[in-house]
Parts: sequence; C-alpha cells; structure tokens
Amino acid sequence: KAGVTQTPRYLIKTRGQQVTLSCSPISGHRSVSWYQQTPGQGLQFLFEYFSETQRNKGNFPGRFSGRQFSNSRSEMNVSTLELGDSALYLCASSLPVDGPYRTGELFFGEGSRLTVL
Amino acid sequence: DAKTTQPPSMDCAEGRAANLPCNHSTISGNEYVYWYRQIHSQGPQYIIHGLKNNETNEMASLIITEDRKSSTLILPHATLRDTAVYYCIVRAPGDNMLTFGGGTRLMVKP
Repeated sequence: KAGVTQTPRYLIKTRGQQVTLSCSPISGHRSVSWYQQTPGQGLQFLFEYFSETQRNKGNFPGRFSGRQFSNSRSEMNVSTLELGDSALYLCASSLPVDGPYRTGELFFGEGSRLTVL
Repeated sequence: DAKTTQPPSMDCAEGRAANLPCNHSTISGNEYVYWYRQIHSQGPQYIIHGLKNNETNEMASLIITEDRKSSTLILPHATLRDTAVYYCIVRAPGDNMLTFGGGTRLMVKP
C-alpha cells in the first residue's frame, strides 16, 4: 500500500516568489493535514482539509493557503516567500475515526524541503 | 504549548532496552497517547498509541500509568537505526491539529 506522497521533495525559491506543494494521501484517506517544521519552531500545524473543506487552521499568515481536490489530493501554496519560510513542509493523511481502535492516526509523508534565498 | 513533557535527549546502548518517558498530567479522558519518531529529515513515523491499557506492537511497547498522567515508550532491543527524535503527543480521536513538543532525541550507541 503506497504511503503519503509529497512532491517536489526539494526546491529552491527566492524571496517574493510563490510556491505550490502537492500531497497525495494514502488511498482511502480523506483527511489531509499540513505541518511546517523549522529548527527554531519545531513542528507546527498549518491546516487540515477534509472532503475539500478546510476543517482547521493553525496560526499562520494568509500567505499560506491550501486546497483539497475531490480525489483527496491536496496542495498548499505560499505566496510572497520570505526567508523564514524555509522549512520542511509535511503532509499527513488519516482515516476517519471508527471505534476505539481506529482513532484516525496520522501517517506522514517524507516532506518537501523548501529553501528560500 | 505542548501538552506533554519529555527529556530533550537520551542515550541507549545497542541491544539494550530504551525507555522513553513522557509526562502528560493534563490529559483529558478522551485523549489518547501517541508516539511518533522522526529519523533525520524524514517525515514522522507512527509508532504506537494507547488510551489507558498497555499496548504492544512489532515496534514497541507503551506503558501508561493508572492515573494516565505519564507513559513510557519501550524499544525492547534498540538498534542503531532507532536513533531518532521521539515525540509523545496526546490527541483526541480524529483531532489532526497535533501539538508537537521538542521530543526526545534518542542516540543509540554501539
């Protein structure tokens, strides 16, 4: 069974540019969450999508946005890039909660490492 | 703020058991304890989770105290490949807004 797939794995951008990252969840998973990981702030929640709707949003500026498609694939976009946006962006997918043993644990992809110059 | 407290680092000899503690004194009744680990520059990997009973799978064992205020992840026979940052998280079912603390950096030494 294929895991969570993120593309591209590595990319370099310059300040002011925008970037789009893609995430394909595990087959059957309808929830996709995005996280940012930096050395200074650690892992931080960005947003979550379920059935093409944003369900939760973390404390990030409006330059960070996302969407989810009908096939559950998700994209996130960062506009007007800043040096501080350099990070590992992680996507995670999960199944719905179903009883005490399927609690919808998250499965993460390998991430997209963004460097902003 | 993270809902869990973990030691920042630990060492373990290869082949010995690694016991990683976690405090979660404010855990709610419906929150589970989850453990993930992150090997350098990779995505976090799910290890195990539990509510109040001890749990075991092919990777590890999870021991949760009776009052549920703390837990211990046990890697029974640590190998060099277990060197990673281990995160303990409390999470309600279906809640994907996870709050990660700093985790414990486990170094397995030959």
